[in-house]
Amino acid sequence: SQTIHQWPATLVQPVGSPLSLECTVEGTSNPNLYWYRQAAGRGLQLLFYSVGIGQISSEVPQNLSASRPQDRQFILSSKKLLLSDSGFYLCAWSDGGQGNFGPGTRLLVL
Amino acid sequence: GESVGLHLPTLSVQEGDNSIINCAYSNSASDYFIWYKQESGKGPQFIIDIRSNMDKRQGQRVTVLLNKTVKHLSLQIAATQPGDSAVYFCAENRRQGGSEKLVFGKGTKLTVNP
Repeated sequence: SQTIHQWPATLVQPVGSPLSLECTVEGTSNPNLYWYRQAAGRGLQLLFYSVGIGQISSEVPQNLSASRPQDRQFILSSKKLLLSDSGFYLCAWSDGGQGNFGPGTRLLVL
Repeated sequence: GESVGLHLPTLSVQEGDNSIINCAYSNSASDYFIWYKQESGKGPQFIIDIRSNMDKRQGQRVTVLLNKTVKHLSLQIAATQPGDSAVYFCAENRRQGGSEKLVFGKGTKLTVNP
């Protein structure tokens, strides 16, 4: 069966510090991978998606970036965090059907 | 389109009543739609899906209706229970330029009163 992992579960970072969130998927090959952000009490905003290794599509301009160095690994990064980067970050995978979500990373930028 | 910055609309029902949650989508080319349930502090969980060649699909206590003419999707929950309290999102599989992406609607917070 397929599983998706995200870490860390929670993270508190100072403004201006770098960020690296990792997501890995097991049990499937060549999945579509997604990064979403969710502010408290709000909807899910699609940040990045990837249909293959090294292929990244960005949905909104921001100081975040994404990379897919391996087929089942998706990384969300920032060189310098802003206060507005705080939120709940969710990774998801799909094979063209339903999206399957990881447990999420709660990021607080202070 | 997406309204990710807005506060979620809310729906409050009594235990045992039926719930109807609505969603509008914008892209006529979307051919696959999904409903998710998100409990506090967790990632969204799949509830039910429907392809564009159907207008109704039923699961256990849930039914999804698709009206392609007006680009409207609804989720019906029968005999709503306190455990159904959560935020519900619809999502569309939007195809663009040879790729596809999963785009979410704004979500509805369902509260079930005992």
